[in-house]
Amino acid sequence: DAKTTQPPSMDCAEGRAANLPCNHSTISGNEYVYWYRQIHSQGPQYIIHGLKNNETNEMASLIITEDRKSSTLILPHATLRDTAVYYCIVGLLVSGGYQKVTFGTGTKLQVIP
Amino acid sequence: DAMVIQNPRYQVTQFGKPVTLSCSQTLNHNVMYWYQQKSSQAPKLLFHYYDKDFNNEADTPDNFQSRRPNTSFCFLDIRSPGLGDAAMYLCATSRRGSNIDNEQFFGPGTRLTVL
Repeated sequence: DAKTTQPPSMDCAEGRAANLPCNHSTISGNEYVYWYRQIHSQGPQYIIHGLKNNETNEMASLIITEDRKSSTLILPHATLRDTAVYYCIVGLLVSGGYQKVTFGTGTKLQVIP
Repeated sequence: DAMVIQNPRYQVTQFGKPVTLSCSQTLNHNVMYWYQQKSSQAPKLLFHYYDKDFNNEADTPDNFQSRRPNTSFCFLDIRSPGLGDAAMYLCATSRRGSNIDNEQFFGPGTRLTVL
């Protein structure tokens, strides 16, 4: 599985956009980029995923570079409830048609009032 | 609401005493996963079931076993817990098939303490 590299921590002012970078330079063509977050003492929560194109949903936007070696998760208007550890994961679609993922170390995002 | 449920949320066991953690899901997903998460670390996949097919990770100790009696339930058995097995244990599920919506849904976790 491709590995990911993320900054260990970031701060963001409440109401501003939070841009969380991720490097996945060894990603292969059939691997997806997934983002999850984990709020303290809870299970991880799915945010968004993509293969090649940029994606947007009600939670966030995912920007993937053309060479697919890096991506950025954007939380457009960060709130205090977005304080969490954010994991960028490269997922391998296995033969059964489901994802098997390996979590990296993640970025601890602190939203500041 | 459809969900992944883990019981108990907190479990205390003694060194060497077998313990079982349980996970149930109302999502009717084919795949169920067990992760171990130690303090300040990322979740680490132990094994997963695709329907009844069990898939063990190469570095998962033999001390850890799992059972899936039906689609809804999955159990994690730790045969002889050591102090190093104290961790949060996370259960997750996912659907097979479409690439569009096969994200994993996690339960709240069971925090295991070994005395």
